[in-house]
Amino acid sequence: AAGVIQSPRHLIKEKRETATLKCYPIPRHDTVYWYQQGPGQDPQFLISFYEKMQSDKGSIPDRFSAQQFSDYHSELNMSSLELGDSALYFCASSPEGPTTDTQYFGPGTRLTVL
Amino acid sequence: DAKTTQPTSMDCAEGRAANLPCNHSTISGNEYVYWYRQIHSQGPQYIIHGLKNNETNEMASLIITEDRKSSTLILPHATLRDTAVYYCIVRVGYSGGGADGLTFGKGTHLIIQP
Repeated sequence: AAGVIQSPRHLIKEKRETATLKCYPIPRHDTVYWYQQGPGQDPQFLISFYEKMQSDKGSIPDRFSAQQFSDYHSELNMSSLELGDSALYFCASSPEGPTTDTQYFGPGTRLTVL
Repeated sequence: DAKTTQPTSMDCAEGRAANLPCNHSTISGNEYVYWYRQIHSQGPQYIIHGLKNNETNEMASLIITEDRKSSTLILPHATLRDTAVYYCIVRVGYSGGGADGLTFGKGTHLIIQP
């Protein structure tokens, strides 16, 4: 079965640079979520989009922004990168429909800020 | 979302049933119990969810007490590949077009011993 696709899988940036992470949801899933997992930490919810509109917001820094496009893929843009932004970034998607919004996660992007 | 409490770690012998408890005494009537697991640095994997009835799928069984204040995830025949952090998450099952993020607690680190 098709899964959530994230690119790139690994990314190395310098402090103060910008980064863009991409997420391609499972076909026919209309909702995407972004999570951040720092070293030794549990995943933390950042932001979500439903039908291309921002839906829920978690602990996303003001330096980060995200959007969902007409094909439902999403991009997380991160500016003025800091050392503390080094983390795994997971995208998840959930299906349309009124019965469940179970989230299915991608493999993640490992961001290293030097 | 209601708060959950799980043991920090558990051991289980390979081939035996692994029983992972979760307390969620403040659960509301419209909140489901979800279980996810995360194998080292991989994306969290959905396992199962339920409202009040016991549920079973190809991965696991979920037993929810009658008062819904606690539940147990059962992996019937644990293998070494089941070693992971298991998260019990309580949340509204369908947010009516919203897209609420998951709140990951500390989870239980399940170690399957050969």
